[in-house]
Amino acid sequence: TQLLEQSPQFLSIQEGENLTVYCNSSSVFSSLQWYRQEPGEGPVLLVTVVTGGEVKKLKRLTFQFGDARKDSSLHITAAQPGDTGLYLCAAGTYKYIFGTGTRLKVLA
Amino acid sequence: AAGVIQSPRHLIKEKRETATLKCYPIPRHDTVYWYQQGPGQDPQFLISFYEKMQSDKGSIPDRFSAQQFSDYHSELNMSSLELGDSALYFCASSLGGGNGYTFGSGTRLTVV
Repeated sequence: TQLLEQSPQFLSIQEGENLTVYCNSSSVFSSLQWYRQEPGEGPVLLVTVVTGGEVKKLKRLTFQFGDARKDSSLHITAAQPGDTGLYLCAAGTYKYIFGTGTRLKVLA
Repeated sequence: AAGVIQSPRHLIKEKRETATLKCYPIPRHDTVYWYQQGPGQDPQFLISFYEKMQSDKGSIPDRFSAQQFSDYHSELNMSSLELGDSALYFCASSLGGGNGYTFGSGTRLTVV
């Protein structure tokens, strides 16, 4: 049973468009991370959120942790081809479980 | 800044052979994790070590074993390799829990 469901699974958009990726669970987590992974490389940590309702911004990326700490969203403003990759949410305390992933492709 | 170092980057083995993957965590990180990622799949947790002791175990086959040494590097030993073991194997390290991992670049294992 996958504890972290991400949606959408695939997303192909034009450069300049906005998008939102969702990470949902029925479990409550003490913290949640978002990673970006490029083919053949290891996931790279983008952000950690720990407080319910927390919002963090990283340039054009906005991350939000749900009030109940069961879900999170990643919003990208004015997407660029360099944003292309696999976006993974992960949660847990000492052992992280990864979400199903969202494969984003931004077309120039 | 030093990152997580994994070796080798690529490995090709035949069925029933053995393989050893190595991981050198970020200095002063106290926990090492191993993940397996099949094609088009999310990383699956295998095993972790905290201060050189096994701290958690996931979906690691009995044919696999791992340990963390006194210098904090870790090795994943895989025996009786099967075609289905072909995957990317990632090592990650962290300082404490809940702070996010730093992943290595992975070892791509191909079993033929």
